Amino acid sequence: DTGVSQDPRHKITKRGQNVTFRCDPISEHNRLYWYRQTLGQGPEFLTYFQNEAQLEKSRLLSDRFSAERPKGSFSTLEIQRTEQGDSAMYLCASSFDSPRTTEAFFGQGTRLTVV
Amino acid sequence: GDSVTQMEGPVTLSEEAFLTINCTYTATGYPSLFWYVQYPGEGLQLLLKATKADDKGSNKGFEATYRKETTSFHLEKGSVQVSDSAVYFCALSDPPSGSARQLTFGSGTQLTVLP
Repeated sequence: DTGVSQDPRHKITKRGQNVTFRCDPISEHNRLYWYRQTLGQGPEFLTYFQNEAQLEKSRLLSDRFSAERPKGSFSTLEIQRTEQGDSAMYLCASSFDSPRTTEAFFGQGTRLTVV
Repeated sequence: GDSVTQMEGPVTLSEEAFLTINCTYTATGYPSLFWYVQYPGEGLQLLLKATKADDKGSNKGFEATYRKETTSFHLEKGSVQVSDSAVYFCALSDPPSGSARQLTFGSGTQLTVLP
């Protein structure tokens, strides 16, 4: 296990279509995060899971977005009825819940382009 | 809410020049502070961190000191190399323990080092 992996790396979709992204975290990490990064900006927090439980969602996560982590391992992020404003890099990160460390490891991201 | 303000870029330096990238923050609690780096085509990587006031994080010749009195965490390097060309993000995690520990990022600073 060499790190957090995300699939696909790039996705081009037509407005109105649904898309799903996958994230495979580092295997022993129990926390998993989704972020969104638009051009020229830093990543913005979307949601996080501890094991299979989704414990927090940002106000950025509209009703068209849903995330799952069914067995506490990989996670999926689905966007329904995509809009051009959804075009961004979607980043996944994972970490191990420990009082002594707060380091999150990031994947390379999925770049979504809505045309 | 929490926020991070970074020195606007892009920054262009000659090799062996001194680097400073300013970062200030606002937080409701007592955050942990981070610098992440994003090399072209790669994911975010943790560069260094500090978890309490007056701590100095350091890695690969980069340093940053957690200054609570000025709410700052400026990144410095005495002699930059071409290979340091990347986007640098300042980030905080507040609170540092207990809940989600999601990161709040600055907008990033693009550094280009010329030979």
